[in-house]
Amino acid sequence: AQSVAQPEDQVNVAEGNPLTVKCTYSVSGNPYLFWYVQYPNRGLQFLLKYITGDNLVKGSYGFEAEFNKSQTSFHLKKPSALVSDSALYFCAVRLDTGFQKLVFGTGTRLLVSP
Amino acid sequence: GAVVSQHPSWVICKSGTSVKIECRSLDFQATTMFWYRQFPKQSLMLMATSNEGSKATYEQGVEKDKFLINHASLTLSTLTVTSAHPEDSSFYICSARQIGEQYFGPGTRLTVT
Repeated sequence: AQSVAQPEDQVNVAEGNPLTVKCTYSVSGNPYLFWYVQYPNRGLQFLLKYITGDNLVKGSYGFEAEFNKSQTSFHLKKPSALVSDSALYFCAVRLDTGFQKLVFGTGTRLLVSP
Repeated sequence: GAVVSQHPSWVICKSGTSVKIECRSLDFQATTMFWYRQFPKQSLMLMATSNEGSKATYEQGVEKDKFLINHASLTLSTLTVTSAHPEDSSFYICSARQIGEQYFGPGTRLTVT
C-alpha cells in the first residue's frame, strides 16, 4: 500500500534559521508527492509537488523540497524561517490509479519562535 | 484560479438533526470531488469520492447512509450528515480535482450538541 510518513509531530526553529520538515514515502511505481500547509481552522494550501524531473522542487512562500529516490524521502525545506510559517504541514502521495486519491501523512506542526 | 468554497464555514446543530455542507468549485468544473474529515491534531481522513452524475465511492468504515453525498453538477457536491451525534463533531474539508490536482476548500467546523 502506498503511504507517507512524517516522523516528527513538531518541529521547533528560531526565526531566520533554516527549517526542515521530514517526509518519507512508500509507493509502488512512480511517486507523485505533495506538500500542503494548513493554518488553524482552514483548509489545505498547496505548497509544491514532485511529479518528475529535477529532484529539487521550488514552491510557494520560499519553500522547496528535495526528492531523494534512494532514501525514499521528500523533505520540505526553507532557508530562513518566518514566524508566519508556523502552521501544520502535510506530506501526501497521490495514487496513480482510480480517482487519484491523496494519501496524507500524519502532519508536522512547525513552530517558529521570534 | 482553482478556488473551492465551502458553506457553511461552521455550524452547530442538535443531536438527531441533519446538516448539509456544500462544496463548490468557483472557477472550474470538477467531475470528481473528495470529502475528508479531520479530528483535532490529526491528519485528514478520506471519507468518500464524489463523482458528478453517479454514486459516491465511500472509504472502508464510512457509513454511506449516515454521510450522504450528492454531486449534482460539475461545480457542486454536498455532504449531508444525517441524524448527527456528538461524535460526528469534526472539521470537514472538501477538495475538487482538476487535471490531476486537488484544490481544497476552507473547511466546515461541525459541532453537534
